[in-house]
Amino acid sequence: GAVVSQHPSRVICKSGTSVKIECRSLDFQATTMFWYRQFPKKSLMLMATSNEGSKATYEQGVEKDKFLINHASLTLSTLTVTSAHPEDSSFYICSARGPTSQFFGPGTRLTVL
Amino acid sequence: DQQVKQNSPSLSVQEGRISILNCDYTNSMFDYFLWYKKYPAEGPTFLISISSIKDKNEDGRFTVFLNKSAKHLSLHIVPSQPGDSAVYFCAASNYGGSQGNLIFGKGTKLSVKP
Repeated sequence: GAVVSQHPSRVICKSGTSVKIECRSLDFQATTMFWYRQFPKKSLMLMATSNEGSKATYEQGVEKDKFLINHASLTLSTLTVTSAHPEDSSFYICSARGPTSQFFGPGTRLTVL
Repeated sequence: DQQVKQNSPSLSVQEGRISILNCDYTNSMFDYFLWYKKYPAEGPTFLISISSIKDKNEDGRFTVFLNKSAKHLSLHIVPSQPGDSAVYFCAASNYGGSQGNLIFGKGTKLSVKP
């Protein structure tokens, strides 16, 4: 199946710093990528839809100035958590829209101290 | 308002027996349904899907059944194996699975005991 990679897989940072997470579709071009956040014992919550060459569409309640999304090419989307705080600690997962399904990356565990 | 519901947070099954995971949805516009399997600290892995024009789709040990009138779908795993132990997410979409955003249920944690 299609492969989507994420980097880094795990990051620990200090409060107030910014963290960038990369999402790459390795064997197909994805005009649309999605960013999800998983809370403990809860479902995957869609944060934003990232479209190549245009601004991302954010879900209600997601701060666009805090979670910066850039979809610069058909194979790369980045999520930058700016001025991270401990409440931003979570598991962030990207997915890329393929021909018949969405394919997910392995996720990034962010811990903000 | 939760559009996709997985009412059982967990399920325990003996190895070799059948696992049945259930999912209910409320939005009649959904026309494509998917099941994902997720291990801890990993991204979800696509398992099987079904279009609303079908009522059954089978792939090896995995079968998904769709009952549109009841807005209910289920995933059957036969025979269950210990490696199947994971969290299973039901997801739904409109305009086809590759067009719309996926709406996920909260997941059901399956434990298959040897």
